[in-house]
Amino acid sequence: AQSVTQPDIHITVSEGASLELRCNYSYGATPYLFWYVQSPGQGLQLLLKYFSGDTLVQGIKGFEAEFKRSQSSFNLRKPSVHWSDAAEYFCAVGLNDYKLSFGAGTTVTVRA
Amino acid sequence: EPEVTQTPSHQVTQMGQEVILRCVPISNHLYFYWYRQILGQKVEFLVSFYNNEISEKSEIFDDQFSVERPDGSNFTLKIRSTKLEDSAMYFCASSVGLAGGLPYYEQYFGPGTRLTVT
Repeated sequence: AQSVTQPDIHITVSEGASLELRCNYSYGATPYLFWYVQSPGQGLQLLLKYFSGDTLVQGIKGFEAEFKRSQSSFNLRKPSVHWSDAAEYFCAVGLNDYKLSFGAGTTVTVRA
Repeated sequence: EPEVTQTPSHQVTQMGQEVILRCVPISNHLYFYWYRQILGQKVEFLVSFYNNEISEKSEIFDDQFSVERPDGSNFTLKIRSTKLEDSAMYFCASSVGLAGGLPYYEQYFGPGTRLTVT
């Protein structure tokens, strides 16, 4: 069955430390890939996207993600987190049908 | 920067009542969507809308739901007779649509409407 998996429900990271959030997908073809962030009480903000080409994509707020076809993964990274990065992060995929399918989300807590 | 707006931010209604959730997509966007997120669960696709008709809908989007673009700016989701299980955050999204012949999935989301059915 087609699915998007975010294995980590909750991650706690110290301010200034690096962050990596995992995302795996299970689809017959390579989907379009996205990361969204949701701060408390806010909507979903697009961090970055992958359609094709360079497998390392840069996004807003200092985030980057790497598409690895062999692993069906699209992991999100940030070299040095800030307290304002505390939020919920969603991986999403799109196929040729214009809808997005979301993972369950990873909540990131940043400690001082 | 253009953004998707939604009203109201919070709606409380009694079971069996009709509700209309409103969205103003980004002005040059052609595709419109509704998603919902039940507390503690995934964001789920409900429906996509293009050229004044539904292009795709999920199994959640049954006869109790309808969408409309009543004018050139608003996009609405109506729930005819709300149930307790309709309580959720409802997100509207929009995207440019086809760009250069390729589907263009970059969807921009509004802040959501929290619907509480009592």
